[in-house]
Amino acid sequence: DTGVSQDPRHKITKRGQNVTFRCDPISEHNRLYWYRQTLGQGPEFLTYFQNEAQLEKSRLLSDRFSAERPKGSFSTLEIQRTEQGDSAMYLCATLGGRLGTEAFFGQGTRLTVV
Amino acid sequence: KNEVEQSPQNLTAQEGEFITINCSYSVGISALHWLQQHPGGGIVSLFMLSSGKKKHGRLIATINIQEKHSSLHITASHPRDSAVYICAVTGNQFYFGTGTSLTVIP
Repeated sequence: DTGVSQDPRHKITKRGQNVTFRCDPISEHNRLYWYRQTLGQGPEFLTYFQNEAQLEKSRLLSDRFSAERPKGSFSTLEIQRTEQGDSAMYLCATLGGRLGTEAFFGQGTRLTVV
Repeated sequence: KNEVEQSPQNLTAQEGEFITINCSYSVGISALHWLQQHPGGGIVSLFMLSSGKKKHGRLIATINIQEKHSSLHITASHPRDSAVYICAVTGNQFYFGTGTSLTVIP
């Protein structure tokens, strides 16, 4: 148990469909991050939230991507009109704790767009 | 230039060998993490370090804050250690290395 749950673990979708992923973090962790990892690459930053506020978005996050964190708890990442290039592992990670250095990583959602 | 650099990118070892993976970083950090990812699998956190050395079983992680360098060692490597090992540092966000793909041959 990593403390951060992501759902679903795997998603196969047809090109053009919309998909939504969910991340449930540790409740005391106020910073939540989304990363994308393609085959053979390290994770790339997408966006992050401090509580419910989305403070930073990568240029990788095109207008087809949207993320929310209502009430500063769980977060969702939606991809509209999926493209084959969206196939990747989508990772959620959190930072928090007393010193702000406690980090936990979700197991990721593997998206395959066919 | 990446904030976190790992070496080597790929590593093949015979079962039983001692393995070292290196990580250098250029940003100020609160902590450094070593992560493991098996093929097709999610990320598992192995270590979080802010100083010194930690050991879990056959895995040892060290960090030198002054030199901004960390190493992950695997003693008596086993085929089940085959995975991608990722170094990540946390400051105000995460910075990830591109990973080291380790294959341990029986």
